[in-house]
Amino acid sequence: NAGVMQNPRHLVRRRGQEARLRCSPVKGHSHVYWYRQLPEEGLKFMVYLQKENIIDESGMPKERFSAEFPKEGPSILRIQQVVRGDSAAYFCASSPLVETQYFGPGTRLLVL
Amino acid sequence: DAKTTQPTSMDCAEGRAANLPCNHSTISGNEYVYWYRQIHSQGPQYIIHGLKNNETNEMASLIITEDRKSSTLILPHATLRDTAVYYCIVRLYNNNDMRFGAGTRLTVKP
Repeated sequence: NAGVMQNPRHLVRRRGQEARLRCSPVKGHSHVYWYRQLPEEGLKFMVYLQKENIIDESGMPKERFSAEFPKEGPSILRIQQVVRGDSAAYFCASSPLVETQYFGPGTRLLVL
Repeated sequence: DAKTTQPTSMDCAEGRAANLPCNHSTISGNEYVYWYRQIHSQGPQYIIHGLKNNETNEMASLIITEDRKSSTLILPHATLRDTAVYYCIVRLYNNNDMRFGAGTRLTVKP
């Protein structure tokens, strides 16, 4: 069984560009979560989505960040006009219901 | 969610049991104890979770004290591949976010 898949694994962007991070949950999981991990820090919750719905975005920065989980296809975390402070590892997790979360390998974003 | 306290780092000899403690003195009756680990540059890996009773799976055992104010994760025969940061997390079963603290950096030495 395939676990949570994320791509790209590494992403380099220049300041002002857009970053799109994709997450394919475990087959059959309808709940997706995004976390951010800054260097030498723990993971911080960003957003929780179900198919076509944002359930909790309390950890999302107010500007430039958005997330979606369409009916078909992967979940997307989008960062517009990236700044150097956005450089981090972004992890996606999925769960079948609101219970144990299983994490993907992450996308490491570097903003030059 | 209740706050947890873990030692910053621990060492363990290869082949020995690794016992990782976690204090969660403010845990409420319906909060679970979860353990994850993060091996360098990888995503967090689920290990085990429990509510009141001790739990065991193929990876580890979880011992929760009777008053539930602390717990211990036990890796029965640590290997070099178990070197990682181990996170103890207390959460409501249906809570959205996992509150990751600093964790314990376990180093298994040959």
